[in-house]
Amino acid sequence: QVQLQESGPGLVKPSETLSLTCAVSGYSISSGYYWGWIRQPPGKGLEWIGSIYHSGSTYYNPSLKSRVTISVDTSKNQFSLKLSSVTAADTAVYYCARRTPPYYDILTGYYYDAFDIWGQGTMVTVSS
Amino acid sequence: SSELTQDPAVSVALGQTVRITCQGDSLRSYYASWYQQKPGQAPVLVIYGKNNRPSGIPDRFSGSSSGNTASLTITGAQAEDEADYYCNSRDSSGNHLTVFGGGTKLTVL
Repeated sequence: QVQLQESGPGLVKPSETLSLTCAVSGYSISSGYYWGWIRQPPGKGLEWIGSIYHSGSTYYNPSLKSRVTISVDTSKNQFSLKLSSVTAADTAVYYCARRTPPYYDILTGYYYDAFDIWGQGTMVTVSS
Repeated sequence: SSELTQDPAVSVALGQTVRITCQGDSLRSYYASWYQQKPGQAPVLVIYGKNNRPSGIPDRFSGSSSGNTASLTITGAQAEDEADYYCNSRDSSGNHLTVFGGGTKLTVL
């Protein structure tokens, strides 16, 4: 059974860097799939932050790209998020999730993928 | 602003059928995935691809797509289906970027 678990500080000061780690169990990151971070401010919707492939290729939300770094450590079977220069607007529940590679439906010509496994989420508050 | 548009709220009578929609240009070539989120819990994948349900998801949940609109249908809604529902797909630029819809709050009356 694949499980993801986020960890990191629950409180970060403004202008500092938020750092979170997602430990993966039941599946080897180096075997494939994409691994992503999604956040949800209190009372609001989901926002994709970015994803990393097991090879290290990264993809970021353009609105956060200048502040985000996602990395993978296959030896520890975990991946990490760093978000710099945080403000109160970065206060949110942060989720890590596994994303399937894109599949192609030959009958319809459509592609598809999905975030199939999610961590429980961790609340991060930005405050002095 | 989200490139996938959802109605903020939808209601359905217990046992009736409800459809939740998601609109966006990328849906003309990319199927949406759908997530159910109950208060205080992580999202759960309920539909992906043309109309695929992960193991453990009841068959009252189904998905469809037409043009720029993807739909999640719940046939015979139950009280436990009351939740927020989010669609997700590639954004219109592709390139492995993905976007979520704003979410739909489903109330079961």
